[in-house]
Amino acid sequence: NAGVTQTPKFQVLKTGQSMTLQCAQDMNHNSMYWYRQDPGMGLRLIYYSASEGTTDKGEVPNGYNVSRLNKREFSLRLESAAPSQTSVYFCASSDGGRGRGRSEQFFGPGTRLTVL
Amino acid sequence: QQQVKQSPQSLIVQKGGISIINCAYENTAFDYFPWYQQFPGKGPALLIAIRPDVSEKKEGRFTISFNKSAKQFSLHIMDSQPGDSATYFCAATAPSIKAAGNKLTFGGGTRVLVKP
Repeated sequence: NAGVTQTPKFQVLKTGQSMTLQCAQDMNHNSMYWYRQDPGMGLRLIYYSASEGTTDKGEVPNGYNVSRLNKREFSLRLESAAPSQTSVYFCASSDGGRGRGRSEQFFGPGTRLTVL
Repeated sequence: QQQVKQSPQSLIVQKGGISIINCAYENTAFDYFPWYQQFPGKGPALLIAIRPDVSEKKEGRFTISFNKSAKQFSLHIMDSQPGDSATYFCAATAPSIKAAGNKLTFGGGTRVLVKP
């Protein structure tokens, strides 16, 4: 099993350009998540998809859109990139348990994005 | 406003020493507290987790201590080894009202360096 895969690994954009970050998981997980990681800020949730066909905003959704293409794939789109979106982006997936059956999130290797 | 505050931002410990990382939270709805370990260039991975109905959980050299009244929890790494050098994140999550999906709120991270 590859687990969670992300493409691309690195990307440099100019301000105003658009791009889509791709994420796929092969663990048959219901829930998928997009985080950004910035120094001293930990990981902050951008968007998540509790199950196929649903998406919800996280803590920092402005400037981003997402698509849950199917159970395996969850993409993150930057429509008009800004320097403030320079960050490392992580995709994660989980069984999505609620209540006491809270489940582990599995993370991909990340995409390092620089916006000039 | 960061709902989970983590300290210190970095620490250096000698091989065989004890590393201690502290976290404090404000949201009393949080009821599951995982710790994630991240090596350079990799995504975070679950290390150990605790629920507030126990005061301590130990797995090998890693121990979580939990103080519900103070809304604080900490990670102790006993007999620290150079291979433990990584960034550690505490996190917290509350019960989800949705069918699935456990949103994690992360602390800012602690970079640990274990000197041989």
